[in-house]
Order: sequence, then C-alpha cells, then structure tokens
Amino acid sequence: GENVEQHPSTLSVQEGDSAVIKCTYSDSASNYFPWYKQELGKRPQLIIDIRSNVGEKKDQRIAVTLNKTAKHFSLHITETQPEDSAVYFCAASSNNAGNMLTFGGGTRLMVKP
Amino acid sequence: NAGVTQTPKFQVLKTGQSMTLQCAQDMNHNSMYWYRQDPGMGLRLIYYSASEGTTDKGEVPNGYNVSRLNKREFSLRLESAAPSQTSVYFCASTPIGTGELFFGEGSRLTVL
Repeated sequence: GENVEQHPSTLSVQEGDSAVIKCTYSDSASNYFPWYKQELGKRPQLIIDIRSNVGEKKDQRIAVTLNKTAKHFSLHITETQPEDSAVYFCAASSNNAGNMLTFGGGTRLMVKP
Repeated sequence: NAGVTQTPKFQVLKTGQSMTLQCAQDMNHNSMYWYRQDPGMGLRLIYYSASEGTTDKGEVPNGYNVSRLNKREFSLRLESAAPSQTSVYFCASTPIGTGELFFGEGSRLTVL
C-alpha cells in the first residue's frame, strides 16, 4: 500500500519568514495530494490540494509543488503569521474520491512573533 | 447545517469494556470514514464506507467494527477495548468527486 513520509516533524520559524514542509510517497499511481491544517484541539481542515496533472498550485500565501518523477510534494507558506501555528498533514491517494487517503505523520509548525 | 457530528467527545473505559462511537453528517455525502490519530503517526484509516450499505477495512481495522446505519450515520464499535486503542478518533465524510474530507470534532478515548 501507499506510504507517506513527512519532514520535518517540528518546525520553528520567525514571523514573516517562509516555512517549507516536504512529503514523499511510494505509490506511483497516487494522483491526489491534499494538505490539512489542524489547530490545537481542533479538527483537521483542508487548506490546499493538488492533482497529478498539475505541478504547482498557489492560494495567497500558500503554495504546493509536486514532482511526480521523484514522488515528492511540498507545502510552502510565505510571510508566516502566528495564526499559521498548527500541525500540518500531507496525504496521498490513488483515486480522486479520497477513500484511501494515506497521511504523513504531521509537522508541528510554530511561528514566533 | 451542523456538518459532521460525533459523540461522545470524551470517554474513559476499562480494558475489556465495549462502546460505540456515533457519527452523523447532514451534508448528503456518500462516503464516510473513521480515523484514529496518535502522536507522530498522523491519521490512520480504520474503516470506511464508500456508500450506504457498504463498508471496507482501512489500514488498522483490528479490534473494531462499523455499521453504516443509513446515508447519514456511521458508527464505530469497540467490542473489547484495549489500552492500545487509547487515541483520538475522527469521523469524516466526503462528497462525490472532490476528495475533500470533512472531519468531526473528534472523540478522545482513554482505555485504562
């Protein structure tokens, strides 16, 4: 089955700096790659996703890149703010319905004011 | 529109006791899921139901059973709880075509 590795497990940045979280996946058939943000004590929520026919996607300060050849994808957050502090999860699945999403272990991002 | 609702939010069990986690969604989603979340291990799929009347095992199904009661409701049962089942459990649902998971607030279960 699919295996998703996520690094780093913790990341501390100064407010205004950029943050990058990286994930690798094992199943070359995977074609859907979402990122979820989970604030302390809250439920995970989708922040951005990318499909395998696209190499990059941006939404304001957040961007995701995908390298299918290397089987890795990354989340980039620019101009970080304290409210970006949370745990971020990457995931991958081999069908667009998402019924077999495999999640990475998570990255705890801390943005210091 | 409440989204995905789970009960109970907190539960403490003794080893060997049984319990059922309830989940309901009011978004008319076809697919529903149960995940468990443990520190450093992300979210692992226990069981899912692609549509009403069907259920399938996920990554970590041992020790659990599920019931898709109708389109709205998907319950998770622990027949004989073990300390290894101490975790936070999330129910989720997704509409056809988008892949986006909508999660409930989570249920924190402690097994002593």
